Parts: sequence; structure tokens; C-alpha cells
Amino acid sequence: EPEVTQTPSHQVTQMGQEVILRCVPISNHLYFYWYRQILGQKVEFLVSFYNNEISEKSEIFDDQFSVERPDGSNFTLKIRSTKLEDSAMYFCASTRDREYEQYFGPGTRLTVT
Amino acid sequence: AQKVTQAQTEISVVEKEDVTLDCVYETRDTTYYLFWYKQPPSGELVFLIRRNSFDEQNEISGRYSWNFQKSTSSFNFTITASQVVDSAVYFCALSEITGGFKTIFGAGTRLFVKA
Repeated sequence: EPEVTQTPSHQVTQMGQEVILRCVPISNHLYFYWYRQILGQKVEFLVSFYNNEISEKSEIFDDQFSVERPDGSNFTLKIRSTKLEDSAMYFCASTRDREYEQYFGPGTRLTVT
Repeated sequence: AQKVTQAQTEISVVEKEDVTLDCVYETRDTTYYLFWYKQPPSGELVFLIRRNSFDEQNEISGRYSWNFQKSTSSFNFTITASQVVDSAVYFCALSEITGGFKTIFGAGTRLFVKA
């Protein structure tokens, strides 16, 4: 069964460094998302992406964040200058149509020290 | 604005008990979608069910059942004869058709099933 994959599974970085989290959505899906989950808390929407542009973003998704689909398969989330409070699990998700369920990747645990 | 409320933070039951997880939502849209996801201790998010706003039919899938009541803006989830493997955090989520493809999750309910 096709699945969403994410790399790396765990990333440790120092405050102020740039990180890029990578996702490979399911191949025939058209809508892509990033969410984050701070340990023990709820899943928070960051951004949605469709037709090579951002469809919607939350207030969490400030100028430090950017997303890109550099080729036909990868979908990346970049954090330019990480802060301690960016430490969280980051989930990528994709869906073939927005009315359908989103399939989530296994997540990347980001630890900012 | 979208909002999803899961008032039960934690529920603890003994195996074989039935348990209902509550979900109340707010939306201004007439067309929207509701979801339940399971997050086991391993951390992944597992899709359980999708329901659109025009389909109020309740659904049963094995030991799982869902009760969608538009009149009370609720989408509750019942596990019958719970098992230890049901121990997880369960999230209810809402997507509005005009919402720019954003899905809002509730805070989650942590279910402990004791043997």
C-alpha cells in the first residue's frame, strides 16, 4: 500500500540553524500539508500546498518557515533559524482531494538545543 | 471559525468495557468533513473514519462505531468491548470546504485500556 515517507526520523539542531524536513507524498496525491505536534499536545496545522503554491497557512507559519516542492516527488519544510520552541514532531500529509482523508507520514522529531 | 472540542482529556477503562469519546465542532460552513485519527504510543497518525456534513448516517466498523449528530454538532466515537491495543490518543478533526484545505484537530483524548 502506498504511504507517505519522511526523512529524517529525528533531527537534532542548534538554535539559529536552518533545517529542512523532507517528505515524499503518495504519488497521485495533489494536496500536501505540514503539521506539528509539540510533545503531549495536539496536532497543529502549519500549511497546505496545492498546485505549486501555498493554499493556506496558520499563524505559526511565519517568515521563518517555507515550503517547496522542488521536483515531482519531494515536499519540503524549511525552518530558516530554529528556535527552542520549534522542537516538535513534524508530520507531512497528503490527499488526492481535499474532501478525502489525509494520509500522514511517520513524522520527523525535531530537537532544537 | 473552525473549532473542535474534545472535552475528555483522559479516559481509563477496563478491558471489555465500552467507551465513548466525545467530539463537538464549530463551523460556519454547510459543507465540511469530520475525521477521527488514532495515535498509538508509537506516534504515527492512523486514519479511522471520514464523514461529510451531508451524511448523517451512523457507521459501524467492527468494534468501532460513530454517531454524527448535526443538530448538536457532535461526532462521537464508541469502542465496544475495548482491548488493550485500543490504548492511544484519539483525535477528532474538521475540514471546511472553503477553509483553504486546512484541517483543525481537537486536543485529543488519551484512552487507557487496562487488562
